[in-house]
Amino acid sequence: QSVLTQPPSVSAAPGQKVTISCSGSSSNIGNHYVSWYQQLPGTAPKLLIYDNNQRPSGIPDRFSGSKSGTSATLGLTGLQTGDEAEYYCATWDSSLSAAVFGGGTQLTVL
Amino acid sequence: EEQLVESGGGLVQPGGSLRLSCAASGFTFSIYNMNWVRQAPGKGLEWVSYISSGSDTIYYADSVKGRFTVSRDTTKKSLYLQMNSLSAEDTAVYFCARGSPPQFDSWGQGTLVAVSS
Repeated sequence: QSVLTQPPSVSAAPGQKVTISCSGSSSNIGNHYVSWYQQLPGTAPKLLIYDNNQRPSGIPDRFSGSKSGTSATLGLTGLQTGDEAEYYCATWDSSLSAAVFGGGTQLTVL
Repeated sequence: EEQLVESGGGLVQPGGSLRLSCAASGFTFSIYNMNWVRQAPGKGLEWVSYISSGSDTIYYADSVKGRFTVSRDTTKKSLYLQMNSLSAEDTAVYFCARGSPPQFDSWGQGTLVAVSS
């Protein structure tokens, strides 16, 4: 059971918008930055968002991040079939003194 | 080109030991904090361990504390994970990842550790 809760799956049509939620607590999301990762099948994860809403160079602005209280959200607009992947949120947990990941959300672009 | 390459994975019997390595190239390894993250077959990501650039701060996940030891060698530009008392629950692909949690900005391709008799 993950410390951070994500929906197991989301889906949307090409060109549409989707959001993925990540719920935590005051010991993790509530007091620490959140990052988001994309993992395509058979590959290593890739950093999409850091510090709640910052994009590394090379990540298109179709990807966005936000945080409110003890929850964070990843937004994707203009969905493409190439966006089909597993998405993970991550943060630090001060009670555990450990980094924690969400359970992952499988995005399907119908 | 920045690159992280893991090695040392393989098949090991329960109770056995294994040492993973992660070779860094294309960036100044000595100034970066490093991590190990694992992924069991068909499962999600699990952070395993963190070591600061100067090796003065180290953290472990509760699931590996007391069994795994992280270390680094700046002269060899390498990160290591010594894994002892392995069990089936440790079967996973192990990734090395650069950065301070939760911002892991560069990852290796991973090395598979399988614990089975």
